[in-house]
Amino acid sequence: GEDVEQSLFLSVREGDSSVINCTYTDSSSTYLYWYKQEPGAGLQLLTYIFSNMDMKQDQRLTVLLNKKDKHLSLRIADTQTGDSAIYFCAETPNTGKLIFGQGTTLQVKP
Amino acid sequence: DTEVTQTPKHLVMGMTNKKSLKCEQHMGHRAMYWYKQKAKKPPELMFVYSYEKLSINESVPSRFSPECPNSSLLNLHLHALQPEDSALYLCASSQGGRAYGYTFGSGTRLTVV
Repeated sequence: GEDVEQSLFLSVREGDSSVINCTYTDSSSTYLYWYKQEPGAGLQLLTYIFSNMDMKQDQRLTVLLNKKDKHLSLRIADTQTGDSAIYFCAETPNTGKLIFGQGTTLQVKP
Repeated sequence: DTEVTQTPKHLVMGMTNKKSLKCEQHMGHRAMYWYKQKAKKPPELMFVYSYEKLSINESVPSRFSPECPNSSLLNLHLHALQPEDSALYLCASSQGGRAYGYTFGSGTRLTVV
């Protein structure tokens, strides 16, 4: 079946690293995504990873994929107050639909 | 142009009103989507248009009626809505392949009174 799970809340101090975790169930998913949603806004595609990759780095963002355990993580280095938002993990199994996790609210304390 | 533009940004309507939400993209994307999002929840897929044809209707009540007049425009016609339909309505588009994800608009915040 298609299911994506995330923890609901993460609180970090400004300057620390944040790690947001996600697990998915559909092994047919070839692309996995991280979206960011700020209050009152739409969803912004942060990054994606192809399933034959283990890691992808883009400036302060590092995505790690453990395909065996179907586990995806997003690390944000040097977290800033502007990173406060809801982060959604998403997969696209063979159905072609974008399946979202419940979203992790990241709170960054000064 | 790398954006999806949605209008209006906010809409308040009565249960007997008829209104329309509009979505526009000029990225040449061939797939367009409507999502409904309640507060603190992930977006829920409503409709998918592929090459201007409706390809997926996720059992959405008929009081929501989508329309795709051309490859750049997507409308959502609303009629006889209920208060529980109040939500953020998001439009998205994609190139159709899975590599690039979806580009989302900022949404229309709908309140049904």
